[in-house]
Amino acid sequence: DGGITQSPKYLFRKEGQNVTLSCEQNLNHDAMYWYRQDPGQGLRLIYYSQIVNDFQKGDIAEGYSVSREKKESFPLTVTSAQKNPTAFYLCASSIRQVRVQRDEKLFFGSGTQLSVL
Amino acid sequence: QQQVKQSPQSLIVQKGGISIINCAYENTAFDYFPWYQQFPGKGPALLIAIRPDVSEKKEGRFTISFNKSAKQFSLHIMDSQPGDSATYFCAASTGGGNKLTFGTGTQLKVEL
Repeated sequence: DGGITQSPKYLFRKEGQNVTLSCEQNLNHDAMYWYRQDPGQGLRLIYYSQIVNDFQKGDIAEGYSVSREKKESFPLTVTSAQKNPTAFYLCASSIRQVRVQRDEKLFFGSGTQLSVL
Repeated sequence: QQQVKQSPQSLIVQKGGISIINCAYENTAFDYFPWYQQFPGKGPALLIAIRPDVSEKKEGRFTISFNKSAKQFSLHIMDSQPGDSATYFCAASTGGGNKLTFGTGTQLKVEL
């Protein structure tokens, strides 16, 4: 059954703690993304990766870090530097196409709700 | 700076009615405009998308209308059903690419 798996579904962070959100895909997609969703603010891009061992900052990367050691995995670490981490975090993937005039569909996981204790 | 503005924030429609959600963009380099549907506790899923070389695209009960000169596009849901109750996001990107800029979302409720 192909898709994107995010874990855990719910996560609690203590003050000063780093936490890591897992994202795994078996769609053989090259590109992976992390979005943050806050009520009334839509989805904002944190980091994205178009190929293994390479990633770029999105619009709100401060306080977050990622790695892309395997094609299937793109974990997100929320560091203690992120002062307002409470949000719904969504991982997505897409086929990386090199031709122009392509429309790239994002496939999303079911999300992780992160809350601060 | 919000590059894609979406309205309304919430919408209540009677079953069988037409739901209309509007988006406006600023970046004239945008050339791919998808709409995503999200149910509570789930990730968004692509509903329908349009490129600026056409003014309208229809898939079943869902239609995108696109006005390039006004830099606006809208989603119309015909014969709205309770199962359509969800949050809808418009988005835009350049080069038909995958780095999407999302609108703030519209929470649609279809009442019986």
